[in-house]
Amino acid sequence: EPEVTQTPSHQVTQMGQEVILHCVPISNHLYFYWYRQILGQKVEFLVSFYNNEISEKSEIFDDQFSVERPDGSNFTLKIRSTKLEDSAMYFCASKLAGEYSPLHFGNGTRLTVT
Amino acid sequence: SQQGEEDPQALSIQEGENATMNCSYKTSINNLQWYRQNSGRGLVHLILIRSNEREKHSGRLRVTLDTSKKSSSLLITASRAADTASYFCVDAGNNRKLIWGLGTSLAVNP
Repeated sequence: EPEVTQTPSHQVTQMGQEVILHCVPISNHLYFYWYRQILGQKVEFLVSFYNNEISEKSEIFDDQFSVERPDGSNFTLKIRSTKLEDSAMYFCASKLAGEYSPLHFGNGTRLTVT
Repeated sequence: SQQGEEDPQALSIQEGENATMNCSYKTSINNLQWYRQNSGRGLVHLILIRSNEREKHSGRLRVTLDTSKKSSSLLITASRAADTASYFCVDAGNNRKLIWGLGTSLAVNP
């Protein structure tokens, strides 16, 4: 069964550094999402992407964050200047169009900012 | 999309027993979806129930929906240790963001 793949599984970076998290959504999916989960807390929405543009974003997704779908298969999340509080699991998800299509999640990238 | 409130927050049972988790929501839904999250992993879709359905089965899972009470329940029958995970309900009416609650943390003891 096709799945969403995320790399790397774990990323350690120093405060102030830029990181790029990579995702390959399921190939025929049209909607793409990034969520994050700080340890012990709820899964939080960051951004959704459709038709090559951001369709919705949360307050968390400030100017330090950006997303790209550079080549029709990858979907990346960039954090320009990481902060300690960016440490979390970052999940990529994708779905088909339609209100009854479920989200398919990757296994996440654990980002540790030191 | 609205947040579902799962109840109880934690549930511990013995292997072979049934596990029941409940979900309440505040406003009308189009469809309700249940997801599972194993520790440190991504969420996995389990089952979807539409607003005009009252009950749905998938393997050992049974979901009910009571729109008059704005509530749903997830029953896992004959539980296994591998069912140990957190379970979430979400209102997923369109392609917009999903809002997640704290879930029910299920521990199935061998």
